[in-house]
Amino acid sequence: RKEVEQDPGPFNVPEGATVAFNCTYSNSASQSFFWYRQDCRKEPKLLMSVYSSGNEDGRFTAQLNRASQYISLLIRDSKLSDSATYLCVVDTGGFKTIFGAGTRLFVKA
Amino acid sequence: EPEVTQTPSHQVTQMGQEVILRCVPISNHLYFYWYRQILGQKVEFLVSFYNNEISEKSEIFDDQFSVERPDGSNFTLKIRSTKLEDSAMYFCASSPFDEQYFGPGTRLTVT
Repeated sequence: RKEVEQDPGPFNVPEGATVAFNCTYSNSASQSFFWYRQDCRKEPKLLMSVYSSGNEDGRFTAQLNRASQYISLLIRDSKLSDSATYLCVVDTGGFKTIFGAGTRLFVKA
Repeated sequence: EPEVTQTPSHQVTQMGQEVILRCVPISNHLYFYWYRQILGQKVEFLVSFYNNEISEKSEIFDDQFSVERPDGSNFTLKIRSTKLEDSAMYFCASSPFDEQYFGPGTRLTVT
């Protein structure tokens, strides 16, 4: 089983759509969880941290289910500028960070 | 807004040569990281650094690699005896605790 697994997509959605991404992780001792976005040939940019209680930042909502070792990201009212690769990131504790391979999103007008 | 910087943006080197990639982390951050991303592949953890020593390293980070914080601002990755398969984008990141902020990367091309 991969340490961090994501559906590679691509997801092709129209503007205004709601889209959800999922991620699973294998190390139950993992401590911290994040979503990053990466534009083509650019550095990953932090989108949001993910907490057990769930958290929301504008159109973005992240959820964590520790029992199922599952993380999700929901994007509402998709914009053209949301087109990117979304990276699920897990800190296993001890300062080792594992990235998923990413889910590609294309938002079309 | 403070940001992580990296130099050079692109480095071309011949196989067998040594390269040093440089990073200036955000000034009040305590944790530093190096990652690499081979074109079309995922971001891979190389090493983390805290309190002037390596905290964690991956299987990739073998004797060919070393890291250093030579002064209060720079954080460097040295790759000795480069191989063709070392061609990748190398990202530096810094963190105040858990959220990491990435530099723009150095594209290393080994010919």
